[in-house]
Amino acid sequence: RKEVEQDPGPFNVPEGATVAFNCTYSNSASQSFFWYRQDCRKEPKLLMSVYSSGNEDGRFTAQLNRASQYISLLIRDSKLSDSATYLCVVNIGSSNTGKLIFGQGTTLQVKP
Amino acid sequence: NAGVMQNPRHLVRRRGQEARLRCSPMKGHSHVYWYRQLPEEGLKFMVYLQKENIIDESGMPKERFSAEFPKEGPSILRIQQVVRGDSAAYFCASSGSYEQYFGPGTRLTVT
Repeated sequence: RKEVEQDPGPFNVPEGATVAFNCTYSNSASQSFFWYRQDCRKEPKLLMSVYSSGNEDGRFTAQLNRASQYISLLIRDSKLSDSATYLCVVNIGSSNTGKLIFGQGTTLQVKP
Repeated sequence: NAGVMQNPRHLVRRRGQEARLRCSPMKGHSHVYWYRQLPEEGLKFMVYLQKENIIDESGMPKERFSAEFPKEGPSILRIQQVVRGDSAAYFCASSGSYEQYFGPGTRLTVT
């Protein structure tokens, strides 16, 4: 079983749509959780950290369910510029520093 | 505020040569990480360093690969006697106490 699993997609949605990505992780000792985006295999860019209470940043909402070991990302009112690969990322270290484990990524294509 | 810097951005080496990849962390960051992304694959952790110390090298191949983060200067990832399978994008990241920020990567091509 992979340490971090994501549906690879692709997700093809029209502009303005709401789209949700899911991710599961296998290590219950995981400490911290993130969503990154990667465009055309350039460097990953931090989209948001994910907190137990859930957090929102503009059109983006992230949720964490520790009991189910499940992380989600919701994108509302999709823009063409949201087209990218979204990476679910988990830090399995004993502190907040340490190695990140990346999912394979979910590809989103937003169409006009 | 400069981000994480990596050089060179592109590196071509013949089989058997050495590759040296450099990474300067973001100002104020003391933790450096190296990740590799093989063609058509996800990012994989290689090594985590602080100044003059290797903290976690669990992702480093056992042979030919080494990393350092000296007291002065950038972190270096060294690959000796490169083979075709080393062709990949190598990303460096740095962090203060929590979130990791990535550099633009070095794309290594072994011919």
